[in-house]
Amino acid sequence: DTGVSQDPRHKITKRGQNVTFRCDPISEHNRLYWYRQTLGQGPEFLTYFQNEAQLEKSRLLSDRFSAERPKGSFSTLEIQRTEQGDSAMYLCASSLVTEYFNEQFFGPGTRLTVL
Amino acid sequence: GENVEQHPSTLSVQEGDSAVIKCTYSDSASNYFPWYKQELGKRPQLIIDIRSNVGEKKDQRIAVTLNKTAKHFSLHITETQPEDSAVYFCAAIPFGNEKLTFGTGTRLTIIP
Repeated sequence: DTGVSQDPRHKITKRGQNVTFRCDPISEHNRLYWYRQTLGQGPEFLTYFQNEAQLEKSRLLSDRFSAERPKGSFSTLEIQRTEQGDSAMYLCASSLVTEYFNEQFFGPGTRLTVL
Repeated sequence: GENVEQHPSTLSVQEGDSAVIKCTYSDSASNYFPWYKQELGKRPQLIIDIRSNVGEKKDQRIAVTLNKTAKHFSLHITETQPEDSAVYFCAAIPFGNEKLTFGTGTRLTIIP
């Protein structure tokens, strides 16, 4: 499969625990995005990377959230001290910017449930 | 920032009929408008997009129209089929920005 992949697909955790998700973008894509989607809503932007540089973070991304893309390839999203309100689908997307904008391809998402 | 509103939230149409979903946006700088289809438990997939220098774009049974003056754009699906049943999201992005702002989605159900 040459598309965007995410791991794990599902994560159940207890409140207060830390979780980490991984995203592997399409190999030649230079931009990587994280979105969060709650039930019945559209995806909401969290952050994005141009290669290894994190260029923008949403106000939704509290201090408990951190994202990295250390070598400009895969990315991780960590949530510390999880809260029930963190329960959502976390979507990763990637794009290859060759003009002023290009299509974002989404991964299957990681569904987080915080008990 | 950009705000995108989408209507209706649910839509049921008879198989073979047409479906229309409408979105409005707030940021006049937005210049790219994709539409994503998301089936239950699956990833959003781009089905069609339009840039602000174009008023209409068509791809087989799917078309999108854009009215920049009124700041609204619409998705049209003709000759609907059961496999068109899904949640559809519109989105907008201003030039120079990177984050897609999505609408709240429309759950389309095709009645056989």
